[in-house]
Amino acid sequence: DAGVIQSPRHEVTEMGQEVTLRCKPISGHDYLFWYRQTMMRGLELLIYFNNNVPIDDSGMPEDRFSAKMPNASFSTLKIQPSEPRDSAVYFCASSARSVVETQYFGPGTRLLVL
Amino acid sequence: GENVEQHPSTLSVQEGDSAVIKCTYSDSASNYFPWYKQELGKRPQLIIDIRSNVGEKKDQRIAVTLNKTAKHFSLHITETQPEDSAVYFCAATHYNQGGKLIFGQGTELSVKP
Repeated sequence: DAGVIQSPRHEVTEMGQEVTLRCKPISGHDYLFWYRQTMMRGLELLIYFNNNVPIDDSGMPEDRFSAKMPNASFSTLKIQPSEPRDSAVYFCASSARSVVETQYFGPGTRLLVL
Repeated sequence: GENVEQHPSTLSVQEGDSAVIKCTYSDSASNYFPWYKQELGKRPQLIIDIRSNVGEKKDQRIAVTLNKTAKHFSLHITETQPEDSAVYFCAATHYNQGGKLIFGQGTELSVKP
């Protein structure tokens, strides 16, 4: 199994630009999670999906952030417009059949907004 | 909502010594407590987890204990090795929270050879 795949691995953009992060969960996993990691705030859950349906988006910072999961093998996290405070590592994770079991993290996308 | 506090924020031990990291949680309904290890520049990876129906779980040099009454749980690493150096995160959730893991702030463990 290839594990959770994320792209791009690194992204540098200018303030105001649109940023799209992509994730492919482990095949057969029903749950997909988007996290943001910063030194100041640690690991924060932004949103998660169950069978492609968003369940909890209470962690999404503001309307500039949106996430979609059009099918079981693909999800996007979009920031529009981006701001310097969005600079962070964004992780995607997936778990198989339950919310209370191992979450497998992807390698992360390191985002820098100038 | 759930709140998880983790201590210490940094921990330095000599190779071969034991290391203990402690977490407290606020929601008495929480029933799943995983621990993740994150090496520098890498992704978090689950190393051990415990559910509220047991008080202790071991896996080789790693053990986790849970005290539901006091609402705290701890990670114990024995015979530490340099490759144990990493940031360790505890987390808590319960099924009714829909898997929304609430993470502690992390403990940076340094094992000196």
